[in-house]
Amino acid sequence: QKEVEQNSGPLSVPEGAIASLNCTYSDRVSQSFFWYRQYSGKSPELIMSIYSNGDKEDGRFTAQLNKASQYVSLLIRDSQPSDSATYLCAVNAFRGFKTIFGAGTRLFVKA
Amino acid sequence: EPEVTQTPSHQVTQMGQEVILRCVPISNHLYFYWYRQILGQKVEFLVSFYNNEISEKSEIFDDQFSVERPDGSNFTLKIRSTKLEDSAMYFCASSDPTDQREKLFFGSGTQLSVL
Repeated sequence: QKEVEQNSGPLSVPEGAIASLNCTYSDRVSQSFFWYRQYSGKSPELIMSIYSNGDKEDGRFTAQLNKASQYVSLLIRDSQPSDSATYLCAVNAFRGFKTIFGAGTRLFVKA
Repeated sequence: EPEVTQTPSHQVTQMGQEVILRCVPISNHLYFYWYRQILGQKVEFLVSFYNNEISEKSEIFDDQFSVERPDGSNFTLKIRSTKLEDSAMYFCASSDPTDQREKLFFGSGTQLSVL
């Protein structure tokens, strides 16, 4: 069974701090990795994608991928109360049509 | 900004009844998906659809489920005989073949309640 594992949290950080979210996956053939943000009662919204080992930065967000360790992370710099949401790690196999989601980490940013 | 549209936003039905959930994907997208999320649980893959046929489906997507693209804009999910455990939020998603087809754009969902 292919799995994506995340710490459910909640992760609580003060406003302005760095939030660090982590994810591991079990299927070694996974090729595409994503972070989605989901506000309570809303649909997932794509915020980052990463395909190669290393770091990828987009504004306040940095995604990190280590395929050897089967590990993906998301850093949110200068966290804002509006970042409070559940962050879903998602993985897709090479040429696969199925994206598998983790259960998500709830993030609270305290003003 | 283009978006995926789902109707209805809420659907209440009796156990054993048929329901059809409707979606209008983003117009230039060619890959279509249904996911569901039971309250407090993971987003789960149900089915993907491309070129007028199912490209992949999960164990959840049994004979009670079917998908259809009846015209050039709509994408539907039919549940033939609903069960209590079908109660969930159902999300439609689409993706663009020219921009990494694994990037999913989700609709706002249909909350299905089976009584």
